Amino acid sequence: AQSVTQPDIHITVSEGASLELRCNYSYGATPYLFWYVQSPGQGLQLLLKYFSGDTLVQGIKGFEAEFKRSQSSFNLRKPSVHWSDAAEYFCAVGARGGADGLTFGKGTHLIIQP
Amino acid sequence: DAGVIQSPRHEVTEMGQEVTLRCKPISGHDYLFWYRQTMMRGLELLIYFNNNVPIDDSGMPEDRFSAKMPNASFSTLKIQPSEPRDSAVYFCASGSLGDTQYFGPGTRLTVL
Repeated sequence: AQSVTQPDIHITVSEGASLELRCNYSYGATPYLFWYVQSPGQGLQLLLKYFSGDTLVQGIKGFEAEFKRSQSSFNLRKPSVHWSDAAEYFCAVGARGGADGLTFGKGTHLIIQP
Repeated sequence: DAGVIQSPRHEVTEMGQEVTLRCKPISGHDYLFWYRQTMMRGLELLIYFNNNVPIDDSGMPEDRFSAKMPNASFSTLKIQPSEPRDSAVYFCASGSLGDTQYFGPGTRLTVL
């Protein structure tokens, strides 16, 4: 069975500082990996995805993530955070992208300090 | 495209009542998913459809839950009778093979 672990429940970062959110997955084959962001009371917005190819993927809002097969990780990074980045971030894994149910991590709550 | 549309956005009902949540997927997507989000369990898949046919309903918690997709542009998730522990945010998502899943804004259900 596939699973996703996001080890950090909460992370606090100063505005302008760099950010890294951790994600580890368990999956038997090459996974489809996603990062979604959820603002309070809102739905899930896709930040970026990895299906194949280049292991460093770029997303919206200046986010990027790197797929490391040897570490079963797909960590999300941003070089300089903005106050508007405060939200809940979810890592997810699926077998066939948009054609299979996704398994989500528990999420990381990002707090931005002024 | 307007994205995935869900209605209602908020629903407050009393225990024992029937609740129906609605979803309109993105046109052209042949997969539709229903998820539930709670503080305790996070985001979990309830059921998904391919070309209007239910493929995997193993996440549906009980017989009180049922889902239908009568056509490519409409799906419902029904809870009958509802219980307080069903209080959650219910998301609908749609997608295609090898593509991304796009989520709707969710329905926040409160069962008193």
